[in-house]
Amino acid sequence: IAGITQAPTSQILAAGRRMTLRCTQDMRHNAMYWYRQDLGLGLRLIHYSNTAGTTGKGEVPDGYSVSRANTDDFPLTLASAVPSQTSVYFCASSDSASGRRGEQFFGPGTRLTVL
Amino acid sequence: DAKTTQPPSMDCAEGRAANLPCNHSTISGNEYVYWYRQIHSQGPQYIIHGLKNNETNEMASLIITEDRKSSTLILPHATLRDTAVYYCIVSLIQGAQKLVFGQGTRLTINP
Repeated sequence: IAGITQAPTSQILAAGRRMTLRCTQDMRHNAMYWYRQDLGLGLRLIHYSNTAGTTGKGEVPDGYSVSRANTDDFPLTLASAVPSQTSVYFCASSDSASGRRGEQFFGPGTRLTVL
Repeated sequence: DAKTTQPPSMDCAEGRAANLPCNHSTISGNEYVYWYRQIHSQGPQYIIHGLKNNETNEMASLIITEDRKSSTLILPHATLRDTAVYYCIVSLIQGAQKLVFGQGTRLTINP
């Protein structure tokens, strides 16, 4: 693995179902993020984690939960999916302890469709 | 975080310099200017950032006005692969960088 990986690449989900989007990074970055991007719009921050064991709410956290049990993994869970959560989801990480803090590295995205 | 204003779209000829403007008139003294780009369907890619001095790296140059109320990203010799949406973001450097992406500038490089 090099950088950030996300799984699945895409998913079609029935409304009301539970779904976990996976994100793994191998750069030992302390901070990780989840964004969503709706068609034609910029990215919006859902949740973030400054370091393992801590999480925080972003701009659009409702309907989503995250956990950060270790440095590498930052899963995003939709407890009961709704059609308005149809979007492309990007995971990112950054190393806030180095001189390159502020530079976020993004994964390839997960395209989620909720019907 | 301060808000930024960018033109929705721009065109540039291949091989020429692409100059992308950004206004951030409400920027505070300790907020940095960041530039990212997003090539179709991919995750955003960091380009450059700066506080008040001009910055240059292998991808681009960043020119920040003396009053810090605006900046320009310069791609010195644009190629077709530089066609993307470019985002100008103003943010504090902090533990977790909560970036606020606007709608950016859609830059099209023409052959």
